[in-house]
Amino acid sequence: GAGVSQSPSNKVTEKGKDVELRCDPISGHTALYWYRQSLGQGLEFLIYFQGNSAPDKSGLPSDRFSAERTGGSVSTLTIQRTQQEDSAVYLCASSRRVIMASPLHFGNGTRLTVT
Amino acid sequence: AQTVTQSQPEMSVQEAETVTLSCTYDTSESDYYLFWYKQPPSRQMILVIRQEAYKQQNATENRFSVNFQKAAKSFSLKISDSQLGDAAMYFCAYRGENSGNTPLVFGKGTRLSVIA
Repeated sequence: GAGVSQSPSNKVTEKGKDVELRCDPISGHTALYWYRQSLGQGLEFLIYFQGNSAPDKSGLPSDRFSAERTGGSVSTLTIQRTQQEDSAVYLCASSRRVIMASPLHFGNGTRLTVT
Repeated sequence: AQTVTQSQPEMSVQEAETVTLSCTYDTSESDYYLFWYKQPPSRQMILVIRQEAYKQQNATENRFSVNFQKAAKSFSLKISDSQLGDAAMYFCAYRGENSGNTPLVFGKGTRLSVIA
């Protein structure tokens, strides 16, 4: 497709289980971002990938969170031993280049509910 | 660190009327971009308009325009002739000149309701 694709759209999991969220960026976009949006809050930066460079993990809230990007394209965000406070919408975005003017193109997000 | 503040959690406007959403930011950088994103119930963030700090002319995109006051660090969004489809969350965002590894910084958003 032409846009950023995220799956699943919704995920319900039990506390303590691991989850994987997938993001397929726009073809040709070298930069990929993960954000978390909690109820009533803005977007919280989690992690950023640019080409083959080491990712910027400065926003990951704990070591239970990790992400990888294979072949410079698809990315997977993994949350281990999920907690109820992990419940949020996880948004992925991509951009063509890492310059100020490049807007981020977002997917529809994955709504994660931890019961 | 840069911060973005949206002081209006909720706003409402009558259809066909004009509404202004406020945004202020804090930065020590001299060049940067400011963005407004719209998030409808579909959850997808859609770019509405963007403004470079060095450009004095306010950006305009059809019914959407901004009032950029660099000295005051203010970046408000004006929606003219409001339509029902404008109802959404609106987020103000900042990206600075040292943004090689810096993502967009977002405000907490303003929920806009449009009354028929």
